[in-house]
Amino acid sequence: EIVLTQSPATLSLSPGERATLSCRASQSVSSFLVWYQQKPGQAPRLLIYDASNRATGIPARFSGSGSGTDFTLTISSLEAEDFAVYYCQQRYISPRTFGQGTKVEIK
Amino acid sequence: EVQLVQSGAEVKKPGESLKISCKASGYGFTNYWIGWVRQMPGKGLEWVAIIYPGDSDSRYSPSFQGQVTISADKSINTAYLQWSSLKASDTAMYYCARTRSGHDPKDALDIWGQGTMVTVSS
Repeated sequence: EIVLTQSPATLSLSPGERATLSCRASQSVSSFLVWYQQKPGQAPRLLIYDASNRATGIPARFSGSGSGTDFTLTISSLEAEDFAVYYCQQRYISPRTFGQGTKVEIK
Repeated sequence: EVQLVQSGAEVKKPGESLKISCKASGYGFTNYWIGWVRQMPGKGLEWVAIIYPGDSDSRYSPSFQGQVTISADKSINTAYLQWSSLKASDTAMYYCARTRSGHDPKDALDIWGQGTMVTVSS
């Protein structure tokens, strides 16, 4: 089973700042890496699929990059609604596995 | 509008059985994989199982194989997750979710239900 390690666990930033979230895989997942956002009391929401493709309706301030074992989710300028938990997930090898999440909180 | 609507919260005792549901609308139910994801209280996401309603092909996470059963009724566009004997450790929120494309069971999950909270307590 592929283990995904997200860092940092918590990111404390102010609105307007840039957020950089990391996801590292225990072995290569090629480009088959997905990012979700989850707000308290809500279901997860698909942000990015296959490392760098924004899902339908996702604002351009969200971008993904990386391949192999190292991936990054960047939020170029944080807005109030972006404070949430972000999960990465690999879809390269079954079973699909998730990272433990990064919480982006207001500083 | 494409949506998944899940059944309501459940409170059960250890050893009881349970079947929760996820009703799809707004798309071809038999053309997309639909799966279940567990989230224990205060914890992260875990993939449970997935099914293709068109032919009932199903896949399970090794962690959940034998512990739950996934099924689908294409006559009413509904997927299910069931337990034959619940444990306290099954207490969690369970989300159903659809794959982004129809052909790949490992594809990203783009449409999610609102979640069903299952509480197992004596």
